[in-house]
Amino acid sequence: SQKIEQNSEALNIQEGKTATLTCNYTNYSPAYLQWYRQDPGRGPVFLLLIRENEKEKRKERLKVTFDTTLKQSLFHITASQPADSATYLCALGDQAGTALIFGKGTTLSVSS
Amino acid sequence: DVKVTQSSRYLVKRTGEKVFLECVQDMDHENMFWYRQDPGLGLRLIYFSYDVKMKEKGDIPEGYSVSREKKERFSLILESASTNQTSMYLCASRPGQSYEQYFGPGTRLTVT
Repeated sequence: SQKIEQNSEALNIQEGKTATLTCNYTNYSPAYLQWYRQDPGRGPVFLLLIRENEKEKRKERLKVTFDTTLKQSLFHITASQPADSATYLCALGDQAGTALIFGKGTTLSVSS
Repeated sequence: DVKVTQSSRYLVKRTGEKVFLECVQDMDHENMFWYRQDPGLGLRLIYFSYDVKMKEKGDIPEGYSVSREKKERFSLILESASTNQTSMYLCASRPGQSYEQYFGPGTRLTVT
């Protein structure tokens, strides 16, 4: 069956460093991969989408890479700030776009 | 800005009660989704709808039903609430021409 893993439940880093979160998947060939941010008690908020034929996407301090051979996506937050502290979810989608498969999330804590 | 609203932030119901969770989006999105989110299990899809009066089962539809009589409104119904349905319920919508999902704030349901 399809499986998506975010390899760290929690990640603690210091302000100013780059946070790198990993998303691995098996038994699936996604058309795209998305990253969401979720704050406690709130719904997820969309951050970035990367398609299967793209290697890298950037948005401000965020960078996502997608390696369909390794079946892995890396999510980077450069110059991290305490306000970046949240849970980050990766999600896979098919071409039909009917439904997403979500990972369990990685909780990032950025200390000042 | 896209706005997805859910009828209640917190809800407490008794076992056996019929429970209605309402979701409304204001951006004329074709697709709407209901997820539940539990610690250690992540987000799991219950049902989705790609058009008025249309519905598709997700990964965990047992014990739930849905209704979509109008494009902007998607209701989740627990016919006879049970304690194992205690969870955070999240509604999302998605326009037909893109893949990112917009989530509501969630309803934390407790069944006692």
